[in-house]
This record gives sequence, C-alpha cells and structure tokens, in this order.
Amino acid sequence: DAKTTQPPSMDCAEGRAANLPCNHSTISGNEYVYWYRQIHSQGPQYIIHGLKNNETNEMASLIITEDRKSSTLILPHATLRDTAVYYCIVIRIQGAQKLVFGQGTRLTINP
Amino acid sequence: DVKVTQSSRYLVKRTGEKVFLECVQDMDHENMFWYRQDPGLGLRLIYFSYDVKMKEKGDIPEGYSVSREKKERFSLILESASTNQTSMYLCASSVSSPPNGYTFGSGTRLTVV
Repeated sequence: DAKTTQPPSMDCAEGRAANLPCNHSTISGNEYVYWYRQIHSQGPQYIIHGLKNNETNEMASLIITEDRKSSTLILPHATLRDTAVYYCIVIRIQGAQKLVFGQGTRLTINP
Repeated sequence: DVKVTQSSRYLVKRTGEKVFLECVQDMDHENMFWYRQDPGLGLRLIYFSYDVKMKEKGDIPEGYSVSREKKERFSLILESASTNQTSMYLCASSVSSPPNGYTFGSGTRLTVV
C-alpha cells in the first residue's frame, strides 16, 4: 500500500477555509485516497474519498492532482468543532485490506 | 443509524487477568479490525478478519488473540494482561470492496494495573 506524508500540525482561523495537504507519490492506479478525522477520545470518522476526480460532500472537498501524487482536503468554513487529527490514507479498490494510519495532521481551529 | 459498538468505554483490569474486548457491527460487513492507539504512535493494527472464523495478524499481534464466530462480532482477547497493554482499543468494520469506507467504534480505554 502506498504511504502518505502529512504536516504534523496546522492552524486555521474560525470561519476560514482549512486546506490540509497530503503527499502520496507512490500511489498506484487501483488505490483510492481516503480522509478520516479523529476528535479527541473518539474513534476515527470518515470524511471523504476519491480516485482521480475532485469530490465534494456535506463535510468537505477533496482535490486530487492530475498525477494523483498529492491531494488537499478542504474544510470550507472551519468551526471550532473541526479541531481534530486528520488522516490521509491510501486504500486499494478491491479485497480485504487493513488501514495504515500515519501520524496525521493535528488541525487547530482558533477563535 | 448503522454503527460499530464496543462493549465497554472504560475498563480497568489487573495484571495477569484474561480480558475480552467485544465489538459488534450491524452493517453486515465482511471485514473487521482491531487497532490500538497510543500517544505518539498513532493507530496500530493488531488483528483483522475478512470472514467468519478467519483471522490475520496485523502489525502488533503479540500478546493478543481474536475470535470471530459470527459475522457481526469480533472479539479481542488479552490472554494475560500486562501494563504495557494499557491503551485505547478501536474496532472497525468494512465491506470487502471500498469505497464505502470503514466505520469505527467509539473505543475502549483499557487500563491494566
């Protein structure tokens, strides 16, 4: 499975867009990019995923570069409740597989 | 609302005790996973199962075993609890083919004294 690299921490002002980068330069053609977040003392929560097209849902947007070697998770109007650790993970399309979590990005939303 | 339920939120056990952590999912998912999470080490996979009665070792299986007798239930067993197994334990489930994603339980914080 491809590995991912994320900055260890980021800050963002409340109400502004939070842009979280992820590098996955060894991603292969049959692998999706997934984003999860973990709020303190809770289990990780699914946010969004994509293969090669940009995606948007009620929580966030995902921008994947054309070469698929990196992606950006966008929280358009960050709130204090978005303070969490955000994980970018690469997962194969088919078959049973384990999630390999890196250290993630600790995002702090400031009032 | 579909979910993964872990039987205990907090648990305190004594060294040497046999400990059972239970996880139940109501989504008819094929795959189930047990992770532990420690400060500075992130989430680490202990065991996973892709079918009833099937199991695979993860990255840190030592000191643990698992049981999956029914599709919806995946149990993590600490044969003889030790203080270095004090941790947050997280269960997750998924279908065999993403992209539906993985669903995690709320976690069990185990303290071994």
